[in-house]
Amino acid sequence: AQRVTQPEKLLSVFKGAPVELKCNYSYSGSPELFWYVQYSRQRLQLLLRHISRESIKGFTADLNKGETSFHLKKPFAQEEDSAMYYCALRAYNTDKLIFGTGTRLQVFP
Amino acid sequence: DVKVTQSSRYLVKRTGEKVFLECVQDMDHENMFWYRQDPGLGLRLIYFSYDVKMKEKGDIPEGYSVSREKKERFSLILESASTNQTSMYLCASPRGSGRFLDNEQFFGPGTRLTVL
Repeated sequence: AQRVTQPEKLLSVFKGAPVELKCNYSYSGSPELFWYVQYSRQRLQLLLRHISRESIKGFTADLNKGETSFHLKKPFAQEEDSAMYYCALRAYNTDKLIFGTGTRLQVFP
Repeated sequence: DVKVTQSSRYLVKRTGEKVFLECVQDMDHENMFWYRQDPGLGLRLIYFSYDVKMKEKGDIPEGYSVSREKKERFSLILESASTNQTSMYLCASPRGSGRFLDNEQFFGPGTRLTVL
């Protein structure tokens, strides 16, 4: 079964601390993986996708097929990073995104 | 940028009422999706549509129906609202045509529905 697991409901860090939001997926083929973010009172939006291998707002995420993980990382958290983060999977040749349950990141000053 | 709008930001209805949630996208996209977002459960797909008058069930279609009479508009219908349908409802529209979707889904601002 295709599944996305985000084990942490809440992650709290202080400004300047490193951040790692965990995401594990279950899929036997080659998935497409994404991180979506929802800031307070804003709509859900794409943060980054694994195929682009990009860094957005200082965040990076590497697809590890051996560990079936796609953890989101940032070396120095900022207060404006506080938001809800969702990991999502799109299996090959399907039309849907499967979302994880989300992790709320709180960055304290 | 794609603009996805939803008819109401907040909605309060009574049990048994028929509820319409509307979503409009202005980029001539063929694909539109309805999700519900609940704390601890993430986003769950209710229904989606590839084109006018076409619809497919998502993961949790029970208690819901949809209507796609025009390309830009996708309506979610709660035939008889129940308290367990109290939730945030998100509409999304990805680029792509037919069954070939682009990676990114563009979301509306959401409708917070409360069923009393």
